Amino acid sequence: NTVMTQSPTSMFTSVGDRVTISCKASQNVGINVAWYQQETGQSPKRLINWASNRDTGVPDRFTGSGSGTDFTLTISNMQAEDPAIYYCLQHKSYPLTFGSGTKLEIK
Amino acid sequence: QVQLKETGPGLVQPTQTLSITCTVSGFSLTSYYMQWVRQTPGKGLEWMGFIRSGGSTEYNSEFKSRLSISRDTSKNQVFLKMNSLKTEDTGVYYCARDSAMGYWGQGVMVTVSS
Repeated sequence: NTVMTQSPTSMFTSVGDRVTISCKASQNVGINVAWYQQETGQSPKRLINWASNRDTGVPDRFTGSGSGTDFTLTISNMQAEDPAIYYCLQHKSYPLTFGSGTKLEIK
Repeated sequence: QVQLKETGPGLVQPTQTLSITCTVSGFSLTSYYMQWVRQTPGKGLEWMGFIRSGGSTEYNSEFKSRLSISRDTSKNQVFLKMNSLKTEDTGVYYCARDSAMGYWGQGVMVTVSS
């Protein structure tokens, strides 16, 4: 199975901060990676697909990058509405696997 | 617009069978993969399996022996059935559309308890 190691587990940020979340795959997954935002009590919402393509309506402060085994989600200018848990997903090989999540909170 | 909605029992007894229905609108099941994902306190988000647009299925081996995914295209519904439930199967069950899960249902909370 492809393990997606996500870091950090949690972090406190401030409005206006640049935030970087990492996912490392245990084997090459190409660009078959998506990023999701899950707010409390809600289902996950996809932000990024194919590693770097922003979904329709997602603010451009969210950027995905990477290929192969190393992937990054960057929030360039943290906003008050961005606290949530963020997950990565690899859909290159079965079983599809998620990262363990990064909880972002505002200080 | 694309909509997905899961419906299920809420409470299931250990050893019993879970049945959840995902009803979709705004697209055809014959054009998209439909996934099942669950979220449990113990394991976070777990991919369970999917049914392809053509009707074939793929399962996570963690569940393969007790999981079944099927559909009724005339009713725009996808079904999950999982038997031999245990308390650790308690969690929220989601259906999602396409290989990279661009659309999700609201989820249904399932509690396995006697």
